[in-house]
Order: sequence, then C-alpha cells, then structure tokens
Amino acid sequence: QVQLVQSGAEVKKPGASVKVSCKASGYSFTDYHMHWVRQAPGQGLEWMGWINPNSGGTNYAHKFQGRVTMTRDTSISTAYMELSRLRSDDTAVYFCARERASDWNYSYFDYWGQGTLATVSS
Amino acid sequence: DIQMTQSPSSLSASVGDRVTITCRASQSISNYLNWYQQKPGKAPKFLIYAASSLQSGVPSRFSGSGSGTDFTLTISNLQPEDFATYYCQQSSSTPPTFGQGTKVEIK
Repeated sequence: QVQLVQSGAEVKKPGASVKVSCKASGYSFTDYHMHWVRQAPGQGLEWMGWINPNSGGTNYAHKFQGRVTMTRDTSISTAYMELSRLRSDDTAVYFCARERASDWNYSYFDYWGQGTLATVSS
Repeated sequence: DIQMTQSPSSLSASVGDRVTITCRASQSISNYLNWYQQKPGKAPKFLIYAASSLQSGVPSRFSGSGSGTDFTLTISNLQPEDFATYYCQQSSSTPPTFGQGTKVEIK
C-alpha cells in the first residue's frame, strides 16, 4: 500500500532553516510528482511547490521562491523540502502529497504524509 | 492565481442530515475541482476529483457537482465520522489553490 512517512517535529530559531523528509513506499517513486503543502495553526492549506522525482525538476510558489528548496534521493525514495530564513509565521504543519493525474489531465493529491510540525520561536 | 471561496465557513448539523458546501472559483476552472476531508491532527483525505468523480472507497453519501465557477459538495445522511473540515482545491492552473475550508460540526 502507498505510504508517505515524514520526519519528526522540529523547533527552530528565526533565521534558521528546516529540512523535512518524506519517504515513499508502495509505488514507483519516480512516477509521480511530489508536492508540499503547509498549514499554519488553525488555518487552511497552502501549496508550496512540487518536485519531479524522476528529473529533479521543481516548481515553487512565488511566495516561497528564494527560500524553499525541494530535492529528492531516488535511491531511498525520499523527497525533501528545505525552508530557509525562517520567521515566526512559518510555524506550521508541513505535508508532502503525491500528485495523481487521471484521464483528461485531472490531477489531485491522492496520498498525503502524516505532517511535520515546524515551530519557529526564539 | 485563482482564488477559491467556500461557504459557509462552518455549519452545525445532526446525524442523518443532508449537508451542502459551496465552493466558488474566481474564474472558470471547467470541472478541475477536487474535494478533501480533514480531521483534527490528521492529513487531508482525498474524496472527489473532476468535480463529481468519487475516489475509490469513499462512501456514496458523498457527492459533488458543478462546473465553471460554482461547485457543491453534498453529504447525504451525515454520519458521526463525517464531522470534519472540508476543502475544495482547483487543479485547472498552477498554483493549485484551496478554499479556506468549511467545518462541519455536531449540532
């Protein structure tokens, strides 16, 4: 069965960086784009970007360009999201989510990681 | 970016009720509209794609409709496990964007 297992909670100081991992199993890792979505406490879902695990190509939301880096290690079927220059308003749960595309190019996030809480506090 | 607006933000309902949630896009997205359910402390769960196509394993009491800019998610015969927050998401263009969520609470 498809599983996305993320790394554990992090506490960081303002200005630092956080790197979250997402280990995939149960499917061919390089066949599906991996997206990252975050959720601030009590708030909605915010898309951050995606990585193509096959090519390593990325597409980041404008808001995060210059601060986010998405990478992958195909040998261990793991995607990474690193956010730098952290601020207090980056405190959020960060999710990885697999993108599935059906006929007629309908795409959706069919499997999600369990989420990783990153707290930014001095 | 395409803005997605859900209404209401929250609602109270009883077990057995029929519930309807509305999602409006700031421009036409055809039927590139997905729905997710999220329970507290959990990841979102994918329910519906292409506005009305139910994901395998999702109970048939969930249904979606709409096209263009106006969409609805309907839950008929609300069950205790359906109390959660529901999000719509457009996949018509990048960046994918979500509605702000609708919390379905127990009356």
